[in-house]
This record gives sequence, C-alpha cells and structure tokens, in this order.
Amino acid sequence: DAGVIQSPRHEVTEMGQEVTLRCKPISGHDYLFWYRQTMMRGLELLIYFNNNVPIDDSGMPEDRFSAKMPNASFSTLKIQPSEPRDSAVYFCASSFGVGSTEAFFGQGTRLTVV
Amino acid sequence: GESVGLHLPTLSVQEGDNSIINCAYSNSASDYFIWYKQESGKGPQFIIDIRSNMDKRQGQRVTVLLNKTVKHLSLQIAATQPGDSAVYFCAENKNTDKLIFGTGTRLQVFP
Repeated sequence: DAGVIQSPRHEVTEMGQEVTLRCKPISGHDYLFWYRQTMMRGLELLIYFNNNVPIDDSGMPEDRFSAKMPNASFSTLKIQPSEPRDSAVYFCASSFGVGSTEAFFGQGTRLTVV
Repeated sequence: GESVGLHLPTLSVQEGDNSIINCAYSNSASDYFIWYKQESGKGPQFIIDIRSNMDKRQGQRVTVLLNKTVKHLSLQIAATQPGDSAVYFCAENKNTDKLIFGTGTRLQVFP
C-alpha cells in the first residue's frame, strides 16, 4: 500500500481565495483524521470521520473550514475564504478500528496564504 | 482544559548515548498514551503505546514508562543513532477514536 496520500504537497494562495486539500486514506481504514500543525499550536485535530461520517468537528476553527468524505477513499478539507493565519501544514491520517492508537499520517500539505 | 505537554523543547545527545524524552499529562482518564516520531518534512509516525494500567512497555531500542502518580510519561531510546533525530510527540487516547497530541520535543543527535 502506498500509505496515506495527500495533495498538493505545497500550496501558495492569496488571501481570500478558496483552498482545497485532498486526502486518500489507506484502503480498508475506517477512520480518517485531519490535523493542522503550526509552531505555535502544535498538532491540532480539526475533524475526524468514521465510515465516511463526520464524528467530531469541534476542532474546526471557523465556518470558513469545511471537510467532506464522499466515499471511503477520498476526503477534502476546504478553506473559503483563506486567511494568512491559516498558513500551516495540514495532515491527513487514517486508522483502522475503534480506539486505535496507531494512525498513519500522510506527508502533509504545506499551505501558505499571502 | 485538559492537555498533554512536554517539559523540554530540545534535547541534544551524543550518538550512542541513551535518550530520555519526557511528557506531562493532565487527564488521568486517558486509556492509552502513545509516542510518535516526526522527521523533517514527513508526517508523524507511530513508535509505541502503553495502556494506562501498565507502567512499562518495551519495544525495539525504545521503552516507555508511565507514572500515573505524577502524571508523567517518558520515552527512552537506547544507543541513540543519527536516524533518531526528529521531533517526538506524546499523545493520549481517552477511549475515543481520536488522538490528542502534545507540543513535541526535538531530539538532536550529534557524533
């Protein structure tokens, strides 16, 4: 398996533009997580899905952020409109089973909003 | 609020020495405590976990110790190698499906 695949690896966009980050989890995994990593706040859980259903989105910072998982092999995280403070590395991770401690992370998308 | 935090932001060790990375947690209700390693430009990678009813668990060159009395978790790396240079995160799982990560400690290994 190729692991969790995220795209793009790098994204530079202007403030106010819409940004869409993409994730393909490991086949067979039933949990998908979106994290944001910054120097100031570390790794923050934004939202996670179980069997394509959003379970907890309490970490989503604002209404500008939205996430979808239309099927078991694809998820998106959208920011509209983007702001400079959204600049961070966004990670997608997947895992299998309830209460799993081993999440498999993608390489991340480094987002820069100018 | 409840949080998982780290004492030392940077740890420098000589190759071949043992490393000890520490973590303090505040939520005594967590079921599992986990260590992840993140190399530059990569996502975090699972190293080892320990259930809350244990106080020690060993893996290959790594040992995790849990002291519930003082809410302290540590990761010991034996014979540290250059490839161990990374940021190490402790995380907790509170019988839910999500992991809450601490702020990380950078381990630097010098020859």
